Amino acid sequence: DTAVSQTPKYLVTQMGNDKSIKCEQNLGHDTMYWYKQDSKKFLKIMFSYNNKELIINETVPNRFSPKSPDKAHLNLHINSLELGDSAVYFCASTWTGGGNTIYFGEGSWLTVV
Amino acid sequence: SQQGEEDPQALSIQEGENATMNCSYKTSINNLQWYRQNSGRGLVHLILIRSNEREKHSGRLRVTLDTSKKSSSLLITASRAADTASYFCATWYSGGGADGLTFGKGTHLIIQP
Repeated sequence: DTAVSQTPKYLVTQMGNDKSIKCEQNLGHDTMYWYKQDSKKFLKIMFSYNNKELIINETVPNRFSPKSPDKAHLNLHINSLELGDSAVYFCASTWTGGGNTIYFGEGSWLTVV
Repeated sequence: SQQGEEDPQALSIQEGENATMNCSYKTSINNLQWYRQNSGRGLVHLILIRSNEREKHSGRLRVTLDTSKKSSSLLITASRAADTASYFCATWYSGGGADGLTFGKGTHLIIQP
């Protein structure tokens, strides 16, 4: 029944490692996102992906790369993890057209040590 | 850039009292949305108010929108312990990279039993 699901929920890893977070939505949405929430709960959009068009927020380091095997999945791959990457990462989805409600996953807590 | 800004940042009230949170935004909007985030969980959509609406109700929630002041308020009446959460306003934002919902920093609401 889960609409937007992401795994893993918790991830603790060492600096320099490469890790991936997976996301799947079963809502039939055509647009998916990755958001990053920092320790002060500030949410910032990282990527949007629609019809194979990837739009990247210019402040996101190129160590972060989203990969979408199909429109129901948008995985996040992170290379050479840094301490500052520690945050909660949320996957979300919606229908094209803007102005719509966004549905969020439960979040993935990433801790880099 | 950040679009919405909630006020206050934190609010603690007694169960049964009403809670009011405010949001200010910067650019013109089609709609404004409010989301709730329980501790350790993802964001859940509460209510959407369109730019041509001034007030909207949903259960114990009442949202107002003043486009001339670029502000909105969320009122939760007869608060319950389960309303303890962070509340975010959000607007659609285009530009600077990925298009998507842009969130404020949130109001952390604590309902004292």
